[in-house]
Amino acid sequence: ENVLTQSPGALSLSPGERATLSCRASQGLSSSYLAWYQQKPGQAPRLLIYGASNRATGIPDRFSGSGSGTDFTLTISRLEPEDFAVYYCQQYGSSQYSFGQGTKLEIK
Amino acid sequence: QVQLVESGGGVVQPGRSLRLSCAASTFTFSNYAMHWVRQAPVKGLQWVAVISYDGSNTYYADSVKGRFTISRDNSKNTLYLQINSLRPEDTAVYYCARDRLIRGPVVDAFDMWGQGTVVTVSS
Repeated sequence: ENVLTQSPGALSLSPGERATLSCRASQGLSSSYLAWYQQKPGQAPRLLIYGASNRATGIPDRFSGSGSGTDFTLTISRLEPEDFAVYYCQQYGSSQYSFGQGTKLEIK
Repeated sequence: QVQLVESGGGVVQPGRSLRLSCAASTFTFSNYAMHWVRQAPVKGLQWVAVISYDGSNTYYADSVKGRFTISRDNSKNTLYLQINSLRPEDTAVYYCARDRLIRGPVVDAFDMWGQGTVVTVSS
């Protein structure tokens, strides 16, 4: 199983600041099969990024993804109040999928 | 607007069985692979199972293999998850989710999610 480790576990920032979230895979991912999701309390997850760097439909351009191999990053360039949530990375490089444990982005 | 609506959750005793359903609307259900993902209370996301768009292929997380069965009825636009021999650790919100690609290989991100159905396993 490809284990994904996200860091930090929690991040406290203010609106307008830049957020950088990390996701490290225990095994290299082929073809950058890495996605990022946002989840707010009481809601289902929402796809933000797929293929490591492609924004999903309707996702604002302040969200960007990068990385390859085992190290991936989600960057939110200027935090808006609605961006404070939990973020999960996910690998889908095989018919077994796994999620990271999540990073909670909190308002400072 | 694409819609996925789960149902079938509830409070169930350990050892019993349950069948969850996910009704799809406003898109061509038979074109997409579908997944079940669960989330235990105050925990992260755990992928459970996937079924290809035509039902010919299914894959499971190792932790549920042998007890869970994913299936679909494309004529009814409905996805199912049969859960047998329920355990307390199966307590979670169960989400159905759509694979991103039309008739694609079973390796892609999940672009649409239902609101979830709650399963509580307790005596």
